[in-house]
Amino acid sequence: AQSVTQLGSHVSVSEGALVLLRCNYSSSVPPYLFWYVQYPNQGLQLLLKYTSAATLVKGINGFEAEFKKSETSFHLTKPSAHMSDAAEYFCAVSKREGAQKLVFGQGTRLTINP
Amino acid sequence: DTAVSQTPKYLVTQMGNDKSIKCEQNLGHDTMYWYKQDSKKFLKIMFSYNNKELIINETVPNRFSPKSPDKAHLNLHINSLELGDSAVYFCASSPRDRDGGIQYFGAGTRLSVL
Repeated sequence: AQSVTQLGSHVSVSEGALVLLRCNYSSSVPPYLFWYVQYPNQGLQLLLKYTSAATLVKGINGFEAEFKKSETSFHLTKPSAHMSDAAEYFCAVSKREGAQKLVFGQGTRLTINP
Repeated sequence: DTAVSQTPKYLVTQMGNDKSIKCEQNLGHDTMYWYKQDSKKFLKIMFSYNNKELIINETVPNRFSPKSPDKAHLNLHINSLELGDSAVYFCASSPRDRDGGIQYFGAGTRLSVL
């Protein structure tokens, strides 16, 4: 079975500061990994994905994530936070083959302080 | 054009009623999904269809019945609504076995059972 743990249900940073959202996964098979963002009262939008190429993945809006197999982690970072980054962020894992359901972490709410 | 569209966006109803949520995707994808997001923002897969065939059914009560008339549509019918069914329901689609398992989400349907 696959699972995802996001450390910290709520992260607060100042505008311009580094954003670090933590995600650890468990999977018995090589996984696909994703970060999705959900703005208030909206659906989920893909930020970035790891499939099997480079371990450092760049996504939209200046976000990036690094896949570390030894640590079973896929942490999301952004060098400089912007007010518009305030949202709920979800890490998700899926299998590479077969029925590819997404298994989500519990989400991390990111607040940006002016 | 909206890629994955759900109707209605909001649904308020009484306990015991029967209601349906519709989903349509114009991306040409083969696979569609229903996810439930509870009041704590936790997202969980409910069903998945691949080209009108049910491939995932995640221990959802029998009161929930998905129907896929064609591969571009996946509707969710709920009988005898209960208070615990109140949630946001998201439809998603993906090009099975291509595009690294990315799923594209609709804007969600917020169901409130009174």
